[in-house]
Amino acid sequence: ETGVTQSPTHLIKTRGQQVTLRCSSQSGHNTVSWYQQALGQGPQFIFQYYREEENGRGNFPPRFSGLQFPNYSSELNVNALELDDSALYLCASSSQTSTEAFFGQGTRLTVV
Amino acid sequence: DQQVKQNSPSLSVQEGRISILNCDYTNSMFDYFLWYKKYPAEGPTFLISISSIKDKNEDGRFTVFLNKSAKHLSLHIVPSQPGDTAVYFCAASATLSGGSNYKLTFGKGTLLTVNP
Repeated sequence: ETGVTQSPTHLIKTRGQQVTLRCSSQSGHNTVSWYQQALGQGPQFIFQYYREEENGRGNFPPRFSGLQFPNYSSELNVNALELDDSALYLCASSSQTSTEAFFGQGTRLTVV
Repeated sequence: DQQVKQNSPSLSVQEGRISILNCDYTNSMFDYFLWYKKYPAEGPTFLISISSIKDKNEDGRFTVFLNKSAKHLSLHIVPSQPGDTAVYFCAASATLSGGSNYKLTFGKGTLLTVNP
């Protein structure tokens, strides 16, 4: 059974650029959630995807968008990057009937 | 408005002793609670969870206690081991929002250091 994998592990972007982060969910999981963890904070919910549809969104602006593919993998896209977008971005997968979410190792995004 | 609070940024414990990590919440709609452990450069790892219909859940060295009236939960680790050194996050979910894994709200975490 493969776990949740994210790519890339580290990324440096310039303010104003766009970035795409990727996540492969754990085998058998059809739900993917994205979280942003700023330094010294707990993870904050960005949005969740279930069966390729957005299934809830946290308090993040529309320049944060996502996709889920038929194989349940997912992308997080951030447009017009700001310095405050620098954070660890975590992907978590679960099944709809599961009580736990399983996290990937995260992508460390630095915006300069 | 922080709905899940971990008021102790750090905790240091001697190997073999009990570690007690605390968490408070303010949202009465939360009915499912989880603890995650996080090592540097890794994602959070699920430890243990508890539903609001219970007041205790035990898994090996880990026990979570829930006091709904006080909106407080705690994680007990006994005996503590040096490998337990990590950041521990408390998280909560409101299952009415669409499933128990929907929108976890996390605290800021507590760094537990277990000294040999």
